[in-house]
Amino acid sequence: SAVISQKPSRDICQRGTSLTIQCQVDSQVTMMFWYRQQPGQSLTLIATANQGSEATYESGFVIDKFPISRPNLTFSTLTVSNLSPEDSSIYLCSVDVGDTQYFGPGTRLTVL
Amino acid sequence: GQSLEQPSEVTAVEGAIVQINCTYQTSGFYGLSWYQQHDGGAPTFLSYNALDGLEETGRFSSFLSRSDSYGYLLLQELQMKDSASYFCAVLGPAGGQNFVFGPGTRLSVLP
Repeated sequence: SAVISQKPSRDICQRGTSLTIQCQVDSQVTMMFWYRQQPGQSLTLIATANQGSEATYESGFVIDKFPISRPNLTFSTLTVSNLSPEDSSIYLCSVDVGDTQYFGPGTRLTVL
Repeated sequence: GQSLEQPSEVTAVEGAIVQINCTYQTSGFYGLSWYQQHDGGAPTFLSYNALDGLEETGRFSSFLSRSDSYGYLLLQELQMKDSASYFCAVLGPAGGQNFVFGPGTRLSVLP
């Protein structure tokens, strides 16, 4: 299993600013995943973060908007840049252990 | 690409049995998972099927038919606490380790 923590748990930000979300795992993992979940919607994968290499972004998500760091095997950050109200969502960090994917508690972002 | 379909809502009463279906179209397939998410909470793992057949875990069972690209989650002896959203998710193609999630089914359990 894996225990994942995220900071902050929620934030309210102004349009045009940026928010950096931190994700900490209690064990070393090769890949960490960042998801977005808009209210009442399913989870959409933003990118996969590998330690020591550039993150891999899914269609519709770009590095300039969602820069990711992965400095070691237990930690990653996701920055949501140049915020707009459309970025209001829950952002979830995730890792997979075997056939199971574990999720952090999420960061609820509101952009005014 | 990959796409999954689930019913958007299901309603049942306490003590009943409910089945949530999931059909998928994928360019590669390793397995089908189910996750539960309560309002305001993170998704939590329920089950994973890599092979055809039924997997049972307590009150929850999950079924997979690879030839039909179909699976379901069966919840027995429903309790009020089972009211949540349930997502099926497909484990990606060769080399991929991420899950693609279905749209989710909101289950409401009534007294």
